[in-house]
Amino acid sequence: AQSVSQHNHHVILSEAASLELGCNYSYGGTVNLFWYVQYPGQHLQLLLKYFSGDPLVKGIKGFEAEFIKSKFSFNLRKPSVQWSDTAEYFCAVNSNTGFQKLVFGTGTRLLVSP
Amino acid sequence: AAGVIQSPRHLIKEKRETATLKCYPIPRHDTVYWYQQGPGQDPQFLISFYEKMQSDKGSIPDRFSAQQFSDYHSELNMSSLELGDSALYFCASSLGSRKSYEQYFGPGTRLTVT
Repeated sequence: AQSVSQHNHHVILSEAASLELGCNYSYGGTVNLFWYVQYPGQHLQLLLKYFSGDPLVKGIKGFEAEFIKSKFSFNLRKPSVQWSDTAEYFCAVNSNTGFQKLVFGTGTRLLVSP
Repeated sequence: AAGVIQSPRHLIKEKRETATLKCYPIPRHDTVYWYQQGPGQDPQFLISFYEKMQSDKGSIPDRFSAQQFSDYHSELNMSSLELGDSALYFCASSLGSRKSYEQYFGPGTRLTVT
């Protein structure tokens, strides 16, 4: 069965600090990888996704993630966070065989102080 | 661009009552997923439909049922509600027929059972 681990449950940063959120997955086949963001009281929004090709993917709002197949990892990064990045971030995976359910990690709650 | 629509946005029910949640996918999307997100939890997959047929089933209680209609909208029916059913229920849609891996989430229905 697929599973996703997010190591940091709560992260507190000051504005302009760099961000890296860890995500590891467990699955025996080929997967698609996603990072979603959930702002307080809002729905899940897609930040970025990896299906194939270049393992370094760029998403919206200056976020990027790197897929390292050998480490089963898909860490999210941002060079300089803003107060508006305060949100919960979910890593998710699904099978690369079409319309498959997403399996989410437990989420990382990021608080950026001004 | 049109997004996934969910109704109602908020619902308050008493124990043992029934509730019906509706999801209207993005136009031309043929696949619908339902997820449940409990307080402080990650979203958990409940059930999905492709072309009006159930395509996958997750941790959905027997008290819940769902279906997808000819216009591709979906309804989640919940009976004998329990306090533990209080959660945010997300619907997501995708273009499954094209093996599209990206799911677009709706704003969710917040169900409170008292």
